[in-house]
Amino acid sequence: KQEVTQIPAALSVPEGENLVLNCSFTDSAIYNLQWFRQDPGKGLTSLLLIQSSQREQTSGRLNASLDKSSGRSTLYIAASQPGDSATYLCAVTYGNNRLAFGKGNQVVVIP
Amino acid sequence: NAGVTQTPKFQVLKTGQSMTLQCAQDMNHEYMSWYRQDPGMGLRLIHYSVGAGITDQGEVPNGYNVSRSTTEDFPLRLLSAAPSQTSVYFCASSYNFATGGAEDEQYFGPGTRLTVT
Repeated sequence: KQEVTQIPAALSVPEGENLVLNCSFTDSAIYNLQWFRQDPGKGLTSLLLIQSSQREQTSGRLNASLDKSSGRSTLYIAASQPGDSATYLCAVTYGNNRLAFGKGNQVVVIP
Repeated sequence: NAGVTQTPKFQVLKTGQSMTLQCAQDMNHEYMSWYRQDPGMGLRLIHYSVGAGITDQGEVPNGYNVSRSTTEDFPLRLLSAAPSQTSVYFCASSYNFATGGAEDEQYFGPGTRLTVT
């Protein structure tokens, strides 16, 4: 069974600092990895999808890397802002139509 | 495009009642799925569908039924609600699934918050 772990579970950073969020998975045979953002009481918003043939993906201040062989992905958010406060979830697609989620990194950016 | 829509946003049921959570997408996506999100448990897959007429069970299917008669709609039925089904339910869709390509990107609805008393 695929297990997805996100560390740390919660973190606070001062505004302007770079955020580094980690995601690890136990089975390296994945099709892709996707990072989501979830605001309190809301649905999931897709941030980045890293396809199986890619090692990283970038969108604005966000950069995500993927190392399938070691079962790790890292999401970098440059120059954090209070509006980046949210829970960030990673999910991997694997096996027979399965998507496994981590429990999230809860981020607070302090003004 | 409206994306993935879910109704209702909130619902309170009594134990033993039945109801249907609606999910629709207007992106011509083949793959649709239902998740529940509980504190400390993360998101867990209930049922999924790879196309009209095809459904399969996920990780926690007991107490739930699904059908997929059209590409656009994927309703989730609670047969006899129990307090353990109190949760937030999310519907998701993607153009394709497990191809390793960009069409695997998952889009989520805003969720239905269900309380069973």
